[in-house]
Amino acid sequence: AQSVSQHNHHVILSEAASLELGCNYSYGGTVNLFWYVQYPGQHLQLLLKYFSGDPLVKGIKGFEAEFIKSKFSFNLRKPSVQWSDTAEYFCAVNAGNNRKLIWGLGTSLAVNP
Amino acid sequence: NAGVTQTPKFQVLKTGQSMTLQCAQDMNHEYMSWYRQDPGMGLRLIHYSVGAGITDQGEVPNGYNVSRSTTEDFPLRLLSAAPSQTSVYFCASSYRGQGAETQYFGPGTRLLVL
Repeated sequence: AQSVSQHNHHVILSEAASLELGCNYSYGGTVNLFWYVQYPGQHLQLLLKYFSGDPLVKGIKGFEAEFIKSKFSFNLRKPSVQWSDTAEYFCAVNAGNNRKLIWGLGTSLAVNP
Repeated sequence: NAGVTQTPKFQVLKTGQSMTLQCAQDMNHEYMSWYRQDPGMGLRLIHYSVGAGITDQGEVPNGYNVSRSTTEDFPLRLLSAAPSQTSVYFCASSYRGQGAETQYFGPGTRLLVL
């Protein structure tokens, strides 16, 4: 069965630290990959997505992610986090022609000012 | 566009009561879905619909019914509420356009079942 694994459940950083959140998926075919963010008390918003082309994808608020097909990974990065990046981050995969998203369990990020 | 709207925002039910969570979208998206979000369990798909008149079960459908009589609306019905259904419910919609299909989420409904 298809699955998505997010390695870090809770991450605590200080402002200006660099961030990398891991995401791996299990599916051998064509995939579309997403990172969603959920700020405290809010609904999920799309951060960035990959469907083809350049494997380095840039999203909103300075986030980027790199698709490494050989590693089945789509890690999220940000060079310098801010307090306002405190949120929960979800990785999701859409495999083949299946319109359903397979979700990771999420990573809770807390950024200390 | 209002995007995806959900009502109510909060609801408290007693065990055994029934209710309907409303979801509407004004983006003419054919695909709509309901998720529940619980701590440590991420998002779990309850039901989804690929168009008006077509619905299907997700991974946790028990205790919930859906219908899709119009493109815009996708209500979720709790038939007989149970404490295990205490959760935050999100509705989402998407369309199959160019590139990857992106899901747009509503603000959520917080449900407490006593």
